Amino acid sequence: DVKVTQSSRYLVKRTGEKVFLECVQDMDHENMFWYRQDPGLGLRLIYFSYDVKMKEKGDIPEGYSVSREKKERFSLILESASTNQTSMYLCASSPKPDRPQHFGDGTRLSIL
Amino acid sequence: TQLLEQSPQFLSIQEGENLTVYCNSSSVFSSLQWYRQEPGEGPVLLVTVVTGGEVKKLKRLTFQFGDARKDSSLHITAAQPGDTGLYLCAGVGSGGGADGLTFGKGTHLIIQP
Repeated sequence: DVKVTQSSRYLVKRTGEKVFLECVQDMDHENMFWYRQDPGLGLRLIYFSYDVKMKEKGDIPEGYSVSREKKERFSLILESASTNQTSMYLCASSPKPDRPQHFGDGTRLSIL
Repeated sequence: TQLLEQSPQFLSIQEGENLTVYCNSSSVFSSLQWYRQEPGEGPVLLVTVVTGGEVKKLKRLTFQFGDARKDSSLHITAAQPGDTGLYLCAGVGSGGGADGLTFGKGTHLIIQP
């Protein structure tokens, strides 16, 4: 089974901090994705990556950046955290863009 | 922009009842995926439907893809408390998923014992 592991289940940070969310997958998938999930808004795509060192903006990239230095690892960076970035963050991977995605269990991030 | 509308947004029924949830769009999708998400976990794939009119069954769950590939439904027979969760549909657009999947906002389902 594919395993997508997110580094933290819960995280509390302060406004203005630089925050790193890490995601690792163990199935050699080319594609990796970062979403945030908010009540009433569903899953919204922040960034995705089709290959090492490649990144594409999703629907809501503002205030975020990503890094993919190795195939198995995709990091989401909040450059200067703000309270409106409090959310559940989900990482996913897939072998091809049109194939089903395998999700991690999420990181619930609170920005105070 | 392709959108997927899911209905109802919330549904609470008694154990043993039947239910149907819907996933609708004005756009055509090359395939559609259904996921279930339980509290504290990420979404997990249930099924993928590819062909217009296709019907797939997963135990008590029946998934149908519309003939025009613009809509899909999930029917649960004799619902059980273990069916409780958030059901998400996600579509692959004509670009083959190049811009990622399009997710609906989900149906929150509660099955009461």
